[in-house]
Amino acid sequence: AQSVTQLDSQVPVFEEAPVELRCNYSSSVSVYLFWYVQYPNQGLQLLLKYLSGSTLVKGINGFEAEFNKSQTSFHLRKPSVHISDTAEYFCAVRSLSGGYQKVTFGIGTKLQVIP
Amino acid sequence: DAGVIQSPRHEVTEMGQEVTLRCKPISGHDYLFWYRQTMMRGLELLIYFNNNVPIDDSGMPEDRFSAKMPNASFSTLKIQPSEPRDSAVYFCASSQIPGLETQYFGPGTRLLVL
Repeated sequence: AQSVTQLDSQVPVFEEAPVELRCNYSSSVSVYLFWYVQYPNQGLQLLLKYLSGSTLVKGINGFEAEFNKSQTSFHLRKPSVHISDTAEYFCAVRSLSGGYQKVTFGIGTKLQVIP
Repeated sequence: DAGVIQSPRHEVTEMGQEVTLRCKPISGHDYLFWYRQTMMRGLELLIYFNNNVPIDDSGMPEDRFSAKMPNASFSTLKIQPSEPRDSAVYFCASSQIPGLETQYFGPGTRLLVL
């Protein structure tokens, strides 16, 4: 079984400050990892994904995430946030155990950027 | 492409009524997913289809929920009879092979059952 834990339900941060949204996963096999963003009244859209290779993954809008296998983490970071980054962010995991395995989403972290 | 299209965007109904949510996936996508999002439970996968065939419906909460995909460009999620606890935002998403890892979400249907 696979699971995702997002440690913070809400993260307030001032504009132009750095931010880190934390994500830990659990799986007995190799995984794919994702971050999705949901703006108000919209569906989710992919921010970035880790499939293999370099553990540092760069995504859209200046976000990046680092896969840490030993700590089973995939934290999302941005060095300087903008008001437009205010949204809810979802970490997700898919185990690679043969066939198509469904994606499990975390509960979400609401990022509020304060002017 | 217009992306994943869902209708209606908002639905208000009374307990006991039948509700039908509709989804048009992105053309050429082989997989279609139905999710439910609530404050308490977050985003839950209800069912997914591959090439119009239901593969995993273990997330469907109970027999009141049913989903169909009669062709590659259309799917429905039906709740009959509806209950207040079904109030949520329902998302449809699709993905393709290759690129199966990325799901493309529709804007969602916000359902309120009174």
